[in-house]
Amino acid sequence: QSVLTQPPSVSAAPGQKVTISCSGSSSNIGNRFTSWYQQVPGTAPKLLIYDTGIRPSGIPDRFSGTGSGTTATLGISGLQAGDEAVYFCGAWDTSLNTWMFGGGTKLTVL
Amino acid sequence: QVQLVQSGAEVKKPGASVKVSCKASGYTFTSYYMHWVRQAPGQGLEWMGIINPSGGSTSYAQKFQERVTITRDMSTSTAYMELSSLRSEDTAVYYCARGEDSFDIWGQGTMVTVSS
Repeated sequence: QSVLTQPPSVSAAPGQKVTISCSGSSSNIGNRFTSWYQQVPGTAPKLLIYDTGIRPSGIPDRFSGTGSGTTATLGISGLQAGDEAVYFCGAWDTSLNTWMFGGGTKLTVL
Repeated sequence: QVQLVQSGAEVKKPGASVKVSCKASGYTFTSYYMHWVRQAPGQGLEWMGIINPSGGSTSYAQKFQERVTITRDMSTSTAYMELSSLRSEDTAVYYCARGEDSFDIWGQGTMVTVSS
């Protein structure tokens, strides 16, 4: 059972927008930056968002990140078939002194 | 380009140890922390530990504290993760990943299978 809680799955049609939530606590998301990763089956995760809301170079602005209190949210707009993947959130937990990940959310583009 | 290249797949028997390597290139090895993260088949990501390649200091997840050792060789810009007393539940893909507050570069992963 993950310390960071994500919905197991989300789905939407091409061109639509989805949001994926990541719920934690004051010892992780509440006082540390959150990052988001995209993982296509059979490949390594890829960094999408760091420091809660910053996109690395090369990541399209269709991907966005926000945070409020103990919840972080990933937004993906203009959905494309290539966005189908599993998305993970992650943050350092200051109580456990461990990096924590969410359980992952599978995105299906209908 | 910046990349992390890991060693190949391993098959080990229960009770054995495995050592996975992660060779960095395209950047200054000592300027970025290196993490190890594993993923069991069909499961999520699990953080194992971190090394500061500059000074060699390490920190491990409590779950692995007694069984994992992370080291580095600055002369070859390579990080290593050794896991001992392997059991079937350790069957997973093991990744090295660069970063501090996030993981911006990942290795391709090394499949470790523990089976008698």
